[in-house]
Amino acid sequence: GAGVSQSPSNKVTEKGKDVELRCDPISGHTALYWYRQSLGQGLEFLIYFQGNSAPDKSGLPSDRFSAERTGGSVSTLTIQRTQQEDSAVYLCASSLEGTGGRGYTFGSGTRLTVV
Amino acid sequence: GNSVTQMEGPVTLSEEAFLTINCTYTATGYPSLFWYVQYPGEGLQLLLKATKADDKGSNKGFEATYRKETTSFHLEKGSVQVSDSAVYFCALIHPGGYQKVTFGTGTKLQVIP
Repeated sequence: GAGVSQSPSNKVTEKGKDVELRCDPISGHTALYWYRQSLGQGLEFLIYFQGNSAPDKSGLPSDRFSAERTGGSVSTLTIQRTQQEDSAVYLCASSLEGTGGRGYTFGSGTRLTVV
Repeated sequence: GNSVTQMEGPVTLSEEAFLTINCTYTATGYPSLFWYVQYPGEGLQLLLKATKADDKGSNKGFEATYRKETTSFHLEKGSVQVSDSAVYFCALIHPGGYQKVTFGTGTKLQVIP
């Protein structure tokens, strides 16, 4: 596609429920990244994909968080048993190669609110 | 490790005022430096970048110069507009092999008419 597409744009969920966030990167971009942006905080790195593998998942905050990528394209970030501290904007970005030297292209994000 | 430090916001300016948002970094070697902008309700957009010392990145009237001696990449604009109101993020990355982008905490700019 022309840009990075994320869905849903907004998600309100009850504490304890599972949620899935979707990212559709720019066609041909092999690298894909998930970041989290909490109110008043900067961008927190979560996970990096090169193709379908995740060589760096060091930013996932707990084992409730997981992500996968299929076909070298769409990625899904899953949060199990959501907690209120998971409330944030989850941003996805893609780039042509893993170095990021050309800069990332970001999606508009999914705003997750856990009530 | 790599880190980026930005000035605390929010920054409030009148239209046509001069803007400076300070950014300093800590990194080994020669990182590439970026400024991203996030307009209300949108994702981040690459504003400008510089890949080596003394390079000047520029876009939409904004500019920043890569200063290795002071490890800085301050963002400047000579005359801000209301439409420049956004959050600005300084960032760095080491090219030549995977390294995730390290972002600063962001500086919110509000321009009033």
